[in-house]
Amino acid sequence: DQQVKQNSPSLSVQEGRISILNCDYTNSMFDYFLWYKKYPAEGPTFLISISSIKDKNEDGRFTVFLNKSAKHLSLHIVPSQPGDSAVYFCAASNRYSGAGSYQLTFGKGTKLSVIP
Amino acid sequence: DGGITQSPKYLFRKEGQNVTLSCEQNLNHDAMYWYRQDPGQGLRLIYYSQIVNDFQKGDIAEGYSVSREKKESFPLTVTSAQKNPTAFYLCASRVRGVPDTQYFGPGTRLTVL
Repeated sequence: DQQVKQNSPSLSVQEGRISILNCDYTNSMFDYFLWYKKYPAEGPTFLISISSIKDKNEDGRFTVFLNKSAKHLSLHIVPSQPGDSAVYFCAASNRYSGAGSYQLTFGKGTKLSVIP
Repeated sequence: DGGITQSPKYLFRKEGQNVTLSCEQNLNHDAMYWYRQDPGQGLRLIYYSQIVNDFQKGDIAEGYSVSREKKESFPLTVTSAQKNPTAFYLCASRVRGVPDTQYFGPGTRLTVL
């Protein structure tokens, strides 16, 4: 049972336009969410995160929105650049699970292609 | 430079052989993690360790073993009991505090022939 879902395996966007990557989750205990970017044959790099007490977090061209009632988050990239072409993973954790493990549960990823 | 190193980048082994993947970090992070990535799949947790001499099974621990004798090192052994060992293996570590974010190494691509 997938607790974190990225329903779009791929997305193509024109350079300069907005990229919107979506993520849904089912576990209402998740309270911290992250986005990672991954190039082929490399480790994921952390992009941006958001706590469940917020509904928006910005960092430069990247903004993450969280809608807790819908159990949905999205990553906006504006403007999109060719170097943004990569696989983007959404991840979620439950900081206060009691086990203190801070395990991350990952979605399957969305491959973004930014066309020059 | 602080970071997480994994070696080797590519590893080939014959079926039936055990193989150990290295993961070292000099970030002074307490927690370390091993994930596996298969094509079209997300990252799945194999094992994690929050402190030295302690580790816990993740979602897919069968056929794997780990040790955590030093804070800096968290090697993963892929045993012959792992039925589908060919995959991309990622090691991560986490700094305690806010944000609780995991940082990843470059990965090791294991191919079992």
